[in-house]
Amino acid sequence: YDLTQPPSVSVSPGQTVSITCSGDKLGERFACWYQQKPGQSPVLVIYQDTKRPSGIPERFSGSNSGNTATLTISGTQAMDEADYYCQTWDSNTGVFGGGTKLTVL
Amino acid sequence: EVQLVQSGAEAKKPGESLRISCKGSGHSFNNYWISWVRQMPGKGLEWVGKIDLSDSKTHYSPSFQGHVTISADRSINTAYLQWRSVKASDIAIYYCARHSAPGFTYGPFDSWGQGTLVTVSS
Repeated sequence: YDLTQPPSVSVSPGQTVSITCSGDKLGERFACWYQQKPGQSPVLVIYQDTKRPSGIPERFSGSNSGNTATLTISGTQAMDEADYYCQTWDSNTGVFGGGTKLTVL
Repeated sequence: EVQLVQSGAEAKKPGESLRISCKGSGHSFNNYWISWVRQMPGKGLEWVGKIDLSDSKTHYSPSFQGHVTISADRSINTAYLQWRSVKASDIAIYYCARHSAPGFTYGPFDSWGQGTLVTVSS
């Protein structure tokens, strides 16, 4: 099972950006998103498609329908510059997308 | 506060055996699943496999099945990832990650270790 993400996305500070994750009938599974900054461990930012863990800013939101899960960051800040990975499960096996590098210009 | 503390960086020669560890603190992990995730230099995240600390049941990614072994010692809240014979292609940072609630075989991963760098060179 494969998850496909765009390799890179750029956004201006204060703007809204969406990062997509595509997979066959992905909307029928739960998707989550991880943020990873250089030299750091990943951090969970969205789980079960739309839920935010405690401590994650409200500007992070998620959706999942059809073949695409989407991570949206509203009012993007410089601190949001990072790699973002989507993840789901297939036949009891974890699957990550290839990752998207978000640049805040 | 939940913390996963991993063992330090390892430098091995091809063919040597290796075991790295992931110790949970701040909470009992006995009924949680722990996953291992690989990140090769400059690359993305890859799921290696997982273990249920309550009964040591494991499941592996087909890509890693037979090359690594995941085990645990629940008495000390510790999970392990081991190789019988490392190869140059095993060079990576390996993270452990806790699934978010007891019995949650399908994650998500709400706590991560700091990562263990494995290097292999003759």
